[in-house]
Amino acid sequence: ETGVTQSPTHLIKTRGQQVTLRCSSQSGHNTVSWYQQALGQGPQFIFQYYREEENGRGNFPPRFSGLQFPNYSSELNVNALELDDSALYLCASSSPRLAGTGELFFGEGSRLTVL
Amino acid sequence: AQSVAQPEDQVNVAEGNPLTVKCTYSVSGNPYLFWYVQYPNRGLQFLLKYITGDNLVKGSYGFEAEFNKSQTSFHLKKPSALVSDSALYFCAVRVFDNAGNMLTFGGGTRLMVKP
Repeated sequence: ETGVTQSPTHLIKTRGQQVTLRCSSQSGHNTVSWYQQALGQGPQFIFQYYREEENGRGNFPPRFSGLQFPNYSSELNVNALELDDSALYLCASSSPRLAGTGELFFGEGSRLTVL
Repeated sequence: AQSVAQPEDQVNVAEGNPLTVKCTYSVSGNPYLFWYVQYPNRGLQFLLKYITGDNLVKGSYGFEAEFNKSQTSFHLKKPSALVSDSALYFCAVRVFDNAGNMLTFGGGTRLMVKP
């Protein structure tokens, strides 16, 4: 059984560019959520996908968008990058059995640096 | 609004001594509470959760947490600390609204266990 995998692990972009981060959920997990963790802070919820639809969103602007595919993998897209978007982006998946409890399984993250 | 507070940025403890990492919460209704650990350059790993039942919850790696409703606290404890326990610890509460499995995290507490 593979865990949650994310790519790329590190990337550097410049202000105004666009970025796509990818996530493969753990086997059997049909719900994927994305979190942003700025340096020295706790993770903040961006949004969640279930059955290829967004079913929850935190306080992030529309330039943060996502997709979930039929195999439950997911993408996070950020347009018009700003310096404050520099952070570790964490993907988390949850299984149908655990969905009601809120227990999440996290990937190791994609560290984005915006210059 | 639901929130979690971790009042200590860092906790220092000697190996073999008991450790406590503090967490207080503010939620409406019954809370679902979690502890996660983050090692350097890694994602978050689930330690334990409280949903209902016994106030003392046992989790991974010998950790436990005590739910105290009157004090709205959920402190993480371990009877005997190991150097390998040194990491960043996050308390989190599940938000029950339209945001799916959204977790609200505290700011984190760095645990340093010295030999």
